[in-house]
Amino acid sequence: GAVVSQHPSRVICKSGTSVKIECRSLDFQATTMFWYRQFPKQSLMLMATSNEGSKATYEQGVEKDKFLINHASLTLSTLTVTSAHPEDSSFYICSARKRTPANTGELFFGEGSRLTVL
Amino acid sequence: AQKVTQAQTEISVVEKEDVTLDCVYETRDTTYYLFWYKQPPSGELVFLIRRNSFDEQNEISGRYSWNFQKSTSSFNFTITASQVVDSAVYFCALSEEAAGNKLTFGGGTRVLVKP
Repeated sequence: GAVVSQHPSRVICKSGTSVKIECRSLDFQATTMFWYRQFPKQSLMLMATSNEGSKATYEQGVEKDKFLINHASLTLSTLTVTSAHPEDSSFYICSARKRTPANTGELFFGEGSRLTVL
Repeated sequence: AQKVTQAQTEISVVEKEDVTLDCVYETRDTTYYLFWYKQPPSGELVFLIRRNSFDEQNEISGRYSWNFQKSTSSFNFTITASQVVDSAVYFCALSEEAAGNKLTFGGGTRVLVKP
């Protein structure tokens, strides 16, 4: 099956620093990638939709200047949490949609990245 | 209104019991997909099933079975003869074609299987 890899899986940083999380589709091209955020014991909330070569579309309430998303190629999307604060501590998960129409609706998830801001 | 509702937040069973997880969804789209994912304590999401809106056939995969009923907008999931390894949070999710196929997750149901 298709593989989506996230890196790093865990990151601890000091308040005020920026953290970049990478999401790579390893064996397929992904025109669209999605970034989710999950607080402890809660569901996954969509943050933004990332399309290759264009600006990301953010969900209501998500600060685009805070969470910078770049989808520079068909296999890589990055999420940068800028000037991170303790309330940004969360589990961030990406998912990628295969390019071929036959896979419309099928998403593949990364392993997730746990961010802890001290 | 929530698009995906998982009314049960937590279910506790003893090993070998059956457990059914409810999922009710809401959509105006005629083309949509429904999913179930398992999230063990390690955090990664494990894909279990995808069902499109035109396929109402129930499905069985080992100890897992799914009951899709469009008439009641439900997509329930049953684990038969539960095992300790089934302990996890299970998420039902909806993907609507009109919404660009982004996934909307239900609140999740935590299943605890005791030995």
